[in-house]
Amino acid sequence: DGGITQSPKYLFRKEGQNVTLSCEQNLNHDAMYWYRQDPGQGLRLIYYSQIVNDFQKGDIAEGYSVSREKKESFPLTVTSAQKNPTAFYLCASSMIEGQSGELFFGEGSRLTVL
Amino acid sequence: GDSVTQMEGPVTLSEEAFLTINCTYTATGYPSLFWYVQYPGEGLQLLLKATKADDKGSNKGFEATYRKETTSFHLEKGSVQVSDSAVYFCAYRGSTLGRLYFGRGTQLTVWP
Repeated sequence: DGGITQSPKYLFRKEGQNVTLSCEQNLNHDAMYWYRQDPGQGLRLIYYSQIVNDFQKGDIAEGYSVSREKKESFPLTVTSAQKNPTAFYLCASSMIEGQSGELFFGEGSRLTVL
Repeated sequence: GDSVTQMEGPVTLSEEAFLTINCTYTATGYPSLFWYVQYPGEGLQLLLKATKADDKGSNKGFEATYRKETTSFHLEKGSVQVSDSAVYFCAYRGSTLGRLYFGRGTQLTVWP
């Protein structure tokens, strides 16, 4: 079945360590997104990419980095520069044209900094 | 700038009660509007959508009508069930292709 796969589902990190969250989609979607979710704050956009080898900062990109070397993959690295990285991270994808811009989401990755 | 304002929760209802969750947006043009639902520990799922003024989106007994004159997209359900307990997010597609702007979410709890 087509969908978006995020891994790992749960991740623990010590302060000062970088960590990479994986996101893979087999929906043949052009655009991919990373959102961060904190209690009571809804979803905030970290980075997005509309095409391979190109990506743009969202509203809270500081302390994060991404790459888009393949259409189906959009990994997110949470660096040690991110001051408060404990959160639930959601990856999503969409077609650029058509389908009214609907986003399809993965199951999420919960990162906890110890 | 573009934004979404969503009714704050939590909302607690008894089974079979009527549900309304308010959502208004600030945007130029004619955005597409969405309601997403999130069950505990999971990602978001699309619940319903509307792509132009006066469109009504509906799914699983939920409805929302795109009201351009009031820039609103309120979610309603005539009779909620315990299984509807979740967090509901209003969203719209902004001027940047594909990007969605989300409200803060409304936690709904339905008691038997």
